[in-house]
Amino acid sequence: GAVVSQHPSRVICKSGTSVKIECRSLDFQATTMFWYRQFPKQSLMLMATSNEGSKATYEQGVEKDKFLINHASLTLSTLTVTSAHPEDSSFYICSANRGEPEAFFGQGTRLTVV
Amino acid sequence: QKEVEQDPGPLSVPEGAIVSLNCTYSNSAFQYFMWYRQYSRKGPELLMYTYSSGNKEDGRFTAQVDKSSKYISLFIRDSQPSDSATYLCAIHSNDYKLSFGAGTTVTVRA
Repeated sequence: GAVVSQHPSRVICKSGTSVKIECRSLDFQATTMFWYRQFPKQSLMLMATSNEGSKATYEQGVEKDKFLINHASLTLSTLTVTSAHPEDSSFYICSANRGEPEAFFGQGTRLTVV
Repeated sequence: QKEVEQDPGPLSVPEGAIVSLNCTYSNSAFQYFMWYRQYSRKGPELLMYTYSSGNKEDGRFTAQVDKSSKYISLFIRDSQPSDSATYLCAIHSNDYKLSFGAGTTVTVRA
């Protein structure tokens, strides 16, 4: 159990376009989902906390208008990178909790903006 | 000062050796201590978590927490080439917001 699916695993987009990344908890209802960003050979940096039916809470320094998060149901959260630029290229990872301390992670999405 | 400090390595050991990984943290409010394994270009995979001082074993893995010193460790016995990965410690204070260490890259040589 506790499978989190993230889609797509890899995406290349043109500068100025928007990209949507989906995060689904397949076999449990996620009370909370989180979005992280990871640069090469660096650790995961928390971007935002996503709760179903409410606005996301963004960490300091993360632009909420650029990284739009929607948590439409207890099993789905989406991250949209708007007006993407090359500096947005990174590895984006979601995680989900089911009311227990452990967090379960998706496979990650490698975004390349050209 | 970062909330969680972890030596990024890299660490290279021969097959069968014991791998010793550790992290220190600064916030005494942290309650849950986790170790994740991450292969290149993949999401982290939970190995173990604990919430109290002491040891916890799971197969070849042992997690150790010393809250008085704010120090956590992960030991891998009888290491295998398949254990080669980046190991991340992660800690939170019951709000589920994880603070990660930098990650230690481990290579187990056959």
